Amino acid sequence: QVQLVQSGSELKKPGASVKVSCRASGYTFTNFGINWVRQAPGQGLEWMGWINTNTGKPTYVQGFTGRIVFSLDTSVSTAYLQIPSLKAEDTAVFYCARGGYLDSWGQGTLITVSS
Amino acid sequence: DVVMTQSPLSLPVTFGQPASMSCRSSQSLVSSDGNTYLNWFHQRPGQSPRRLIYEVSNRDSGVPDRFSGSGSGTDFTLKISRVEAEDVGVYYCMQGTHWPYTFGQGTKVEIK
Repeated sequence: QVQLVQSGSELKKPGASVKVSCRASGYTFTNFGINWVRQAPGQGLEWMGWINTNTGKPTYVQGFTGRIVFSLDTSVSTAYLQIPSLKAEDTAVFYCARGGYLDSWGQGTLITVSS
Repeated sequence: DVVMTQSPLSLPVTFGQPASMSCRSSQSLVSSDGNTYLNWFHQRPGQSPRRLIYEVSNRDSGVPDRFSGSGSGTDFTLKISRVEAEDVGVYYCMQGTHWPYTFGQGTKVEIK
């Protein structure tokens, strides 16, 4: 069955970097893009963009451009979300989700940014 | 960006009774290919979202038939024919017709 398994929660200081992984199984990884969705504490869902797993081309929503980086390692069917310079307001749960229809989701990764 | 407006934001329900929630978009969600990319997701407390409905009215595998989606253009509805305990949580609509994808703010279903 389709599964997306994300890396575990992390506590980071402001200015640090974080890289969240999303490992896919149960399907051909390069047949579906990977989306990233943010959910701030107590808030709703916000689509951050997606990465084409065939070409590696990332597409970022305007408010996230320059703040995040999507990448892939297709040899291990894994997508990554990197936030190079964390701020307190980046504290959130980050989800990966499969394909244009977001039909399967990872379990979420809580990133807490605090000094 | 397309704004998705859900109502109500809070929906007190009684087990065994029907429930209905609305999602309205600021632009028509009919795509140039003729499809309407409107999805519904359910998020239980402490869990990741799960897709229930895609393209307005198509139920995902394993989704009980008490859930139904309808609508067209800019107005969409999710109905639960008889609410069960596992149905509590937040329901989000999301449009995938226009870039960027956008979510509604969610309707929280809770027991009266």
